[in-house]
Amino acid sequence: AQTVTQSQPEMSVQEAETVTLSCTYDTSENNYYLFWYKQPPSRQMILVIRQEAYKQQNATENRFSVNFQKAAKSFSLKISDSQLGDTAMYFCAFMKPGLISNFGNEKLTFGTGTRLTIIP
Amino acid sequence: DTEVTQTPKHLVMGMTNKKSLKCEQHMGHRAMYWYKQKAKKPPELMFVYSYEKLSINESVPSRFSPECPNSSLLNLHLHALQPEDSALYLCASSQDRPLGRYEQYFGPGTRLTVT
Repeated sequence: AQTVTQSQPEMSVQEAETVTLSCTYDTSENNYYLFWYKQPPSRQMILVIRQEAYKQQNATENRFSVNFQKAAKSFSLKISDSQLGDTAMYFCAFMKPGLISNFGNEKLTFGTGTRLTIIP
Repeated sequence: DTEVTQTPKHLVMGMTNKKSLKCEQHMGHRAMYWYKQKAKKPPELMFVYSYEKLSINESVPSRFSPECPNSSLLNLHLHALQPEDSALYLCASSQDRPLGRYEQYFGPGTRLTVT
């Protein structure tokens, strides 16, 4: 079974600074997908960024980027120029893809989350 | 339309009540999910429907009964719940391949309180 570990329960950073959230995972699979989800106080889980394990290039989405180290099983999220709206709980998640004929049987394994507060 | 909607936003029910949660998406996604989330915890998967058929039941108690009437709609029927069932219930959906890339899109959730 896969496990996902987020070792930072809480973090805070000044507005406009850069912050990095850590995530490590344990798996024997070679092909998998990794995600960062954001859950602000409004409660809705929002997909921030995804990474395919077979891609060496790190994914980026505007101010959000990842540092994917497959050998080290590490998947950290960097938020640049942090904004007040980035205040949220951030969950790292792992998914092992299933067979094409078995759609809907893939499960997300979540980490325990990091509560990020952006200070004005 | 790129969203998952859930109704109601809040629900308070007694232990003898019967109620239902509703989830809807019009993105053409063919998998829909129910999650339960306790405060400060990650979501826990409850059920998955794939092409309107139940594909995963994570050993959820029978007082929770899912239903998928069509490809856009997912219900969760609640009966004889316990106070420990109070939680945020999240619905999600995902697109099948080749268009889908394994992402799940979540609704805003229903905050359930069992008294």
